[in-house]
Amino acid sequence: DQQVKQNSPSLSVQEGRISILNCDYTNSMFDYFLWYKKYPAEGPTFLISISSIKDKNEDGRFTVFLNKSAKHLSLHIVPSQPGDSAVYFCAARSSGNTPLVFGKGTRLSVIA
Amino acid sequence: EAGVAQSPRYKIIEKRQSVAFWCNPISGHATLYWYQQILGQGPKLLIQFQNNGVVDDSQLPKDRFSAERLKGVDSTLKIQPAKLEDSAVYLCASRSTTGTGTYEQYFGPGTRLTVT
Repeated sequence: DQQVKQNSPSLSVQEGRISILNCDYTNSMFDYFLWYKKYPAEGPTFLISISSIKDKNEDGRFTVFLNKSAKHLSLHIVPSQPGDSAVYFCAARSSGNTPLVFGKGTRLSVIA
Repeated sequence: EAGVAQSPRYKIIEKRQSVAFWCNPISGHATLYWYQQILGQGPKLLIQFQNNGVVDDSQLPKDRFSAERLKGVDSTLKIQPAKLEDSAVYLCASRSTTGTGTYEQYFGPGTRLTVT
């Protein structure tokens, strides 16, 4: 039972264009969502997060949008750069001391 | 600020052997997590510690996996005996429980285990 789904295993985008990574969730108790970025042979690094009380959070080139009614969030990267090439994981958790639940990840390739 | 340290980085063992992984979290972080990441999957929580107490070990295969966090700092994860399906990257993460209360976890580089 996958509670966090990233249905696109891979995405290829040209440098300078927008990258949009999608994530769907099924557990309505989730109230905090995070995106992690992972390079090969490294652990995931935190990128950006959003609370369920918001529908948008922006940090430089990265913006996360949350649509609670659709149980969907997306990560926008504008403009995309070759250094953004990595695997991106969507994660979610409910309130309290509960663990993160991760999606399977989307591999982003930004082509120069 | 030093990050989460893990060792070894790579380990190859034969099935039925035992193996241990070590993690040193970020200084002052009370919460420590061990995750298993199988190729092509997202990280899956094995066990969560708060200081030296276990908060959640519901997904830890307790017949072969064990973990401890003595003195509420370093932690070790052990597998005995290992099975082929234990081949994965084992990630350690830590989080502060003071301050703004964000859910951000900091991950170590992981230990890649291959069981042959």
